[in-house]
Amino acid sequence: DGGITQSPKYLFRKEGQNVTLSCEQNLNHDAMYWYRQDPGQGLRLIYYSQIVNDFQKGDIAEGYSVSREKKESFPLTVTSAQKNPTAFYLCASSIPLQPQHFGDGTRLSIL
Amino acid sequence: AQKVTQAQTEISVVEKEDVTLDCVYETRDTTYYLFWYKQPPSGELVFLIRRNSFDEQNEISGRYSWNFQKSTSSFNFTITASQVVDSAVYFCALSGNYGQNFVFGPGTRLSVLP
Repeated sequence: DGGITQSPKYLFRKEGQNVTLSCEQNLNHDAMYWYRQDPGQGLRLIYYSQIVNDFQKGDIAEGYSVSREKKESFPLTVTSAQKNPTAFYLCASSIPLQPQHFGDGTRLSIL
Repeated sequence: AQKVTQAQTEISVVEKEDVTLDCVYETRDTTYYLFWYKQPPSGELVFLIRRNSFDEQNEISGRYSWNFQKSTSSFNFTITASQVVDSAVYFCALSGNYGQNFVFGPGTRLSVLP
């Protein structure tokens, strides 16, 4: 089945450590997105990519980095510069004029 | 700048009641798309509906209906005869004509009590 796969489902980070969240899609979508959701809050855009080898910062990009080397993949790295990384991270993809499709999310916690 | 407001933070209803979730948006685009998503306790976002700004017809899908009023910049969502399985957070979202500037509202948490 076509869809978006995020892994891992749960992730723990030690202080000062970088961690990478995986997002893979087999929907042949050009655009991919990363959102952060804090408890009881809405979604905030971290980064998005409209095409391979190109990406733009969203509203809260500080402390995060991304790459888009392949159409299917848009990994998000949470760096040690992100001082409050505990959150639920959602990846999405879309094609123009169509709704975004979301993965099941990754819950990141600090040890 | 685009903005989506969902003034109702939380709503509780008893099963079989009807409930309306409000969504008000702001945009300078003349053409845009509006969406509703459902986020059940498991966390994933489930797409419910997309509406083009040129199409003001209301839509009904089973127990769900949507009322798009361009004059008041609202896109409200009604669940008829609510069920416990409808309990979730519901997000209204707005995008430009080519899917750019995708903005989500803060969400409304709906609890349907048995």
